Amino acid sequence: AQKITQTQPGMFVQEKEAVTLDCTYDTSDQSYGLFWYKQPSSGEMIFLIYQGSYDEQNATEGRYSLNFQKARKSANLVISASQLGDSAMYFCAMRERPASGGSYIPTFGRGTSLIVHP
Amino acid sequence: DGGITQSPKYLFRKEGQNVTLSCEQNLNHDAMYWYRQDPGQGLRLIYYSQIVNDFQKGDIAEGYSVSREKKESFPLTVTSAQKNPTAFYLCASQSVGTAQETQYFGPGTRLLVL
Repeated sequence: AQKITQTQPGMFVQEKEAVTLDCTYDTSDQSYGLFWYKQPSSGEMIFLIYQGSYDEQNATEGRYSLNFQKARKSANLVISASQLGDSAMYFCAMRERPASGGSYIPTFGRGTSLIVHP
Repeated sequence: DGGITQSPKYLFRKEGQNVTLSCEQNLNHDAMYWYRQDPGQGLRLIYYSQIVNDFQKGDIAEGYSVSREKKESFPLTVTSAQKNPTAFYLCASQSVGTAQETQYFGPGTRLLVL
């Protein structure tokens, strides 16, 4: 079973509009972290935002915010005031500690392609 | 400048040939990771290392090998046993600790089979 599910293969948004990219996750851990990354056509993975499982407030970083609903196991990314440069692939990722102990191991979703048009 | 470098940017492999992808970081991070990215499949973990001279298999380690002789370096060898190596390979590093630690990625290497 997938641990990270991104149900939207592609999304379109008009410039200056807000857009929400969906992410649901599956874990039995109490302590985990949720991340969003942006991957432009160049291929580089750019960290956008982080949400800890114990954080009570939704994370925000500039135009990015994370709508964290723990009971629903969802961690949607909201981009406000979209810009043409936001066109890229967006990946949701979860980091949880393996049952055997050790460091947190990340799992990535399949991504959502966002196209911002003028 | 601190960061992660990967080389080469593009790599061509002939049938039956082993090739090695370089990954170097100067962030003083303990953990390093190798991912493979295919279209529509996101990132899949190949190998990771949390400390020098130690590494663990990820989800798709077959046909790959790694070494971690230095903290700064984590090269990945794609062996001839890997039958479908054409993909985009990303290296990442992070400090070992809590879930909050962010992974930083290199620019990637595109491997193509001739």
